Amino acid sequence: SAVISQKPSRDICQRGTSLTIQCQVDSQVTMMFWYRQQPGQSLTLIATANQGSEATYESGFVIDKFPISRPNLTFSTLTVSNMSPEDSSIYLCSVVGPGSGNTIYFGEGSWLTVV
Amino acid sequence: AQSVSQHNHHVILSEAASLELGCNYSYGGTVNLFWYVQYPGQHLQLLLKYFSGDPLVKGIKGFEAEFIKSKFSFNLRKPSVQWSDTAEYFCAVNALGGNQGGKLIFGQGTELSVKP
Repeated sequence: SAVISQKPSRDICQRGTSLTIQCQVDSQVTMMFWYRQQPGQSLTLIATANQGSEATYESGFVIDKFPISRPNLTFSTLTVSNMSPEDSSIYLCSVVGPGSGNTIYFGEGSWLTVV
Repeated sequence: AQSVSQHNHHVILSEAASLELGCNYSYGGTVNLFWYVQYPGQHLQLLLKYFSGDPLVKGIKGFEAEFIKSKFSFNLRKPSVQWSDTAEYFCAVNALGGNQGGKLIFGQGTELSVKP
């Protein structure tokens, strides 16, 4: 199994600022992802965090707005840059667990409110 | 492009009623299928998953789901709902193969309200 810790769990941010969310996994994982859940909506994949290389972004998401780092197999960060109220969301880190089985795990999410 | 469709946006039931939430996906290859639940103010939790084998899978809290490959469906069921089942339910699909492994495509979600 994989246990995922996200920080911060909640934050209230000022418009125009940037915030970095951390995702720490208790085991080495190959595949790591970042999702967004806007209020009252479903989850949308932002990007795949690739270890040692640039993240792969989904349509509608760009590196300048959501820079991602993945320095090793247990850690990743997502930065939400130049925030606006529309960025108020839950941001979730997800991994494919170690071993066979393709089990997908989610962190508890980082709940951001932009004012 | 792959997509997941949940038929009902909001379902309202009385306690002890039976529940079935529809989920259809569009992808011709091999998939893993999931149902997640999100209780008010809480984070996402896995209800059940289907990878292979018996297409009828049982999850936590009395939920089950049936994978019907010919219909590209993975409907969630519970024989008798409780007030505590009030939550948002998300169907998700992981298309295997290529570079898609681990990526989940989520349906729009179905809000379930159970009246006591």
